[in-house]
Amino acid sequence: GQNIDQPTEMTATEGAIVQINCTYQTSGFNGLFWYQQHAGEAPTFLSYNVLDGLEEKGRFSSFLSRSKGYSYLLLKELQMKDSASYLCAVMDSNYQLIWGAGTKLIIKP
Amino acid sequence: GAVVSQHPSWVICKSGTSVKIECRSLDFQATTMFWYRQFPKQSLMLMATSNEGSKATYEQGVEKDKFLINHASLTLSTLTVTSAHPEDSSFYICSARDRDGGEQETQYFGPGTRLLVL
Repeated sequence: GQNIDQPTEMTATEGAIVQINCTYQTSGFNGLFWYQQHAGEAPTFLSYNVLDGLEEKGRFSSFLSRSKGYSYLLLKELQMKDSASYLCAVMDSNYQLIWGAGTKLIIKP
Repeated sequence: GAVVSQHPSWVICKSGTSVKIECRSLDFQATTMFWYRQFPKQSLMLMATSNEGSKATYEQGVEKDKFLINHASLTLSTLTVTSAHPEDSSFYICSARDRDGGEQETQYFGPGTRLLVL
């Protein structure tokens, strides 16, 4: 079956760095997405990785290893507004999105 | 974990026809379902919020007469794109909120439906 795993909840301190991991097993691979979702709002697109390596975009970076079925989202210089759920989703060979359950990130002062 | 399915996965239709997309929560009851559109590498755009047994709440700019939503049961919501036009071609994603989700109120997302209007 198809499966996406990510931690349920993480806690970090304002100003620090946090890494949210995502492992996947899917039938085919057409890219991996990271979204940020604040409570009561629609998910916001953060990144899309289809090739191995690190993609940096400001304070957020996303890494992909296709051979390991692994990705992480790295958030630097954490701010209180970064408190949100972070969703990992993989597009399979049928161009369907397989979603992780999301990681709730709690930022403490 | 909770599973949300969508049917069909892909649909190609002629301009002017209507297309119905189903969203089902397979192993939980969802009092609330959400319908989104997504354009490539962009954020999900919320179209409407659907509550079981009541009329859907549409976001500003979304035509309720064009995008008909029915949430007849706790496990099924449907989105009908009426008189579809090429500009309606998009990736439609639904999500469902578990009635017993408690404080988390976690949303579970469906795999999406690709609509191509010729």
